[in-house]
Amino acid sequence: DQQVKQNSPSLSVQEGRISILNCDYTNSMFDYFLWYKKYPAEGPTFLISISSIKDKNEDGRFTVFLNKSAKHLSLHIVPSQPGDSAVYFCAASAQGAQKLVFGQGTRLTINP
Amino acid sequence: SQTIHQWPATLVQPVGSPLSLECTVEGTSNPNLYWYRQAAGRGLQLLFYSVGIGQISSEVPQNLSASRPQDRQFILSSKKLLLSDSGFYLCAWTGTDTQYFGPGTRLTVL
Repeated sequence: DQQVKQNSPSLSVQEGRISILNCDYTNSMFDYFLWYKKYPAEGPTFLISISSIKDKNEDGRFTVFLNKSAKHLSLHIVPSQPGDSAVYFCAASAQGAQKLVFGQGTRLTINP
Repeated sequence: SQTIHQWPATLVQPVGSPLSLECTVEGTSNPNLYWYRQAAGRGLQLLFYSVGIGQISSEVPQNLSASRPQDRQFILSSKKLLLSDSGFYLCAWTGTDTQYFGPGTRLTVL
């Protein structure tokens, strides 16, 4: 039972354009959502999070949008840079930052 | 500042051999600790978590076990490795608003 799904295994975007990564969840108890970035052979690094009391959170080039009725969240990266090429995981929890449930990841490639 | 260490970085083991992976956290006390596994082409699967010394919760029945002998030490073990145990193992601890991950251990079982 995949409670958090990232349906796009890969995404290719031109440098300078917007990257949009999507994530869907099924468990209505989830109230905290996070995005991580992962390079090969390294641990994931935290990017941005959002609580269910908000529908948007921004941090520099990264913005996360949450649509609770659709059980959908997205990460926008503007403008996309070559260093953004990595695998991006969304994660969700019903207990703050405890016991995260991760999606399968989306490999983002930024083309020069 | 807090740091998390994992070793070894890579490991190649034969089927049926034992396993011990270690994780230590510095700069924080009484952290909640986690073991995750990323299998090839898959997401991160939570294996174990611990809220204190000697307290282990298992999320997925499997060939692995975990122990927490000290406040900032978390160990992942197996008595006999299976081919399906191959993967990238990650240790994490929970901060105020996120989990922080270690560098990971790449385990290949042959």
